[in-house]
Amino acid sequence: AQTVTQSQPEMSVQEAETVTLSCTYDTSESDYYLFWYKQPPSRQMILVIRQEAYKQQNATENRFSVNFQKAAKSFSLKISDSQLGDAAMYFCAYAGNQFYFGTGTSLTVIP
Amino acid sequence: DGGITQSPKYLFRKEGQNVTLSCEQNLNHDAMYWYRQDPGQGLRLIYYSQIVNDFQKGDIAEGYSVSREKKESFPLTVTSAQKNPTAFYLCASSIGGQRGYEQYFGPGTRLTVT
Repeated sequence: AQTVTQSQPEMSVQEAETVTLSCTYDTSESDYYLFWYKQPPSRQMILVIRQEAYKQQNATENRFSVNFQKAAKSFSLKISDSQLGDAAMYFCAYAGNQFYFGTGTSLTVIP
Repeated sequence: DGGITQSPKYLFRKEGQNVTLSCEQNLNHDAMYWYRQDPGQGLRLIYYSQIVNDFQKGDIAEGYSVSREKKESFPLTVTSAQKNPTAFYLCASSIGGQRGYEQYFGPGTRLTVT
């Protein structure tokens, strides 16, 4: 079975600084997708970024970028120029035959 | 505006009672999902449906039931057989059930059973 591991339950970052959230996954599938979702205090899940496993180029969305290492099965999220609104729970997700979510990383942004 | 609605936001029930959580989407998505979220455990899949009148069990289906009679609706019933029903429940949908499609989420329902 596929598993998604987020080894950092909590992280903090100073406003305007950069932070990296880690995610590893285990799979025997060759065709899959990876996502990062954000869940702010409102608990509404919001898609942050998406990566196709067959693409070597790392996805970017404004201040958000990923470091996708397929061989290492690693998919980290980098948030640049952190803002107060980035404070949330971040979930890494794997989409192969099914969707699997990690346990989440709670990000605090310090003013 | 297109989106997913879940009602109610908060739901309280007595132990031993069945309760149905509503999920409606107007995105014209084929696939719909139900997740349970507990502290420290991320999201766990309860049931999913890729097409009307068809659904499959997820990882934690015991004590739950669903129906998919209409494309836009995917209600979840928490039965008295569910041993720990108190949780936050999220409904989601995607264009299709195939891999790669982003899932769109509703605002969730917090169920408390006492």
